[in-house]
Amino acid sequence: QKEVEQNSGPLSVPEGAIASLNCTYSDRGSQSFFWYRQYSGKSPELIMFIYSNGDKEDGRFTAQLNKASQYVSLLIRDSQPSDSATYLCAVKSGTYKYIFGTGTRLKVLA
Amino acid sequence: EPEVTQTPSHQVTQMGQEVILRCVPISNHLYFYWYRQILGQKVEFLVSFYNNEISEKSEIFDDQFSVERPDGSNFTLKIRSTKLEDSAMYFCASSNQETQYFGPGTRLLVL
Repeated sequence: QKEVEQNSGPLSVPEGAIASLNCTYSDRGSQSFFWYRQYSGKSPELIMFIYSNGDKEDGRFTAQLNKASQYVSLLIRDSQPSDSATYLCAVKSGTYKYIFGTGTRLKVLA
Repeated sequence: EPEVTQTPSHQVTQMGQEVILRCVPISNHLYFYWYRQILGQKVEFLVSFYNNEISEKSEIFDDQFSVERPDGSNFTLKIRSTKLEDSAMYFCASSNQETQYFGPGTRLLVL
């Protein structure tokens, strides 16, 4: 059974701090990795994706991938109260299937 | 900006009844997906659809479920005989290559 693991949280950070969200996956053959944000009662919203080892930056967000360790992370710089949500890690498994983690609930304290 | 749409937003049905959930994917996308999310739980893959056929399905997607693309725009999920445990949020998603975009979801309540 291919799995994606996340700490459910909540992760609480003060406004303006860096939030660090982590994800591990079991399928060593996975090539594509995604971070989604989900507000309560809403659908997942794509934040960013990463395919290659290393860092990828997009505005206040940085995704980090380490395929050897089967580890993906998301850093959110200058965290805002509006960033408070559940962050979902998703891994593409094969050609047509995506597996989601349970999500990490982030609370940014004003 | 193009988006995935879903109807209805909410559906209440009696156990044993059939329901059809509808989705209009982004127009130039070729890959379509259904997911469900039981309240408080993770997003679970149900099925993917490409080139007018099912590409992959999960163990959840049993004989009670079916998908169809009846015309060039709609993508539907049918549950033939609903059970209490089918109560969940159902999300449709579409993609062209790697990145999926989700619709707003249909909240299904089976009584």
